[in-house]
Amino acid sequence: DTEVTQTPKHLVMGMTNKKSLKCEQHMGHRAMYWYKQKAKKPPELMFVYSYEKLSINESVPSRFSPECPNSSLLNLHLHALQPEDSALYLCASSQDLGTGGSPLHFGNGTRLTVT
Amino acid sequence: GQNIDQPTEMTATEGAIVQINCTYQTSGFNGLFWYQQHAGEAPTFLSYNVLDGLEEKGRFSSFLSRSKGYSYLLLKELQMKDSASYLCAVMDSNYQLIWGAGTKLIIKP
Repeated sequence: DTEVTQTPKHLVMGMTNKKSLKCEQHMGHRAMYWYKQKAKKPPELMFVYSYEKLSINESVPSRFSPECPNSSLLNLHLHALQPEDSALYLCASSQDLGTGGSPLHFGNGTRLTVT
Repeated sequence: GQNIDQPTEMTATEGAIVQINCTYQTSGFNGLFWYQQHAGEAPTFLSYNVLDGLEEKGRFSSFLSRSKGYSYLLLKELQMKDSASYLCAVMDSNYQLIWGAGTKLIIKP
């Protein structure tokens, strides 16, 4: 069982659709992350929130829009995606940002397919 | 640039021992993590090393040598369920995680 919950598990969307991925954690962690992972590749950092403020944006296209409504929730809004955006989207949290030894706890991910 | 190297794939026999190596060159060092990832699933945290030496946790151990930029993950008494990818990740001076490409471990009966 994972302590970071992501919904939906699977998502198929067209290039003109708007959808959102959701992530929730109740471990009291103050840092939350969005990663993108392609098959047989390591996770690729997209965004980091620290204390509900966007801390890192790794030059992600604007068709991906993150949102952190509160310390437990993290959303990723998707609009006008491309087929190459199909991937496993992972949410993670850690106790804090900028603290060594604080491992990331990952959710089970959303498998996104863009048609 | 920052770089983490680990073997692409390894094969081992059930009940045996396997060592997965990781070498790194990063801008600063704030610790090294090992994660396990089964196909189609999320990575799960295995171990963390920040000081030189061996950290043991059940069947899994992880070793670090900062002077050599080297770590290994040692898996003992291998079980079929250990078939997975093992990811080495280093936290750099900016507390950013730099990920290796992962080692796919195949366990044979």
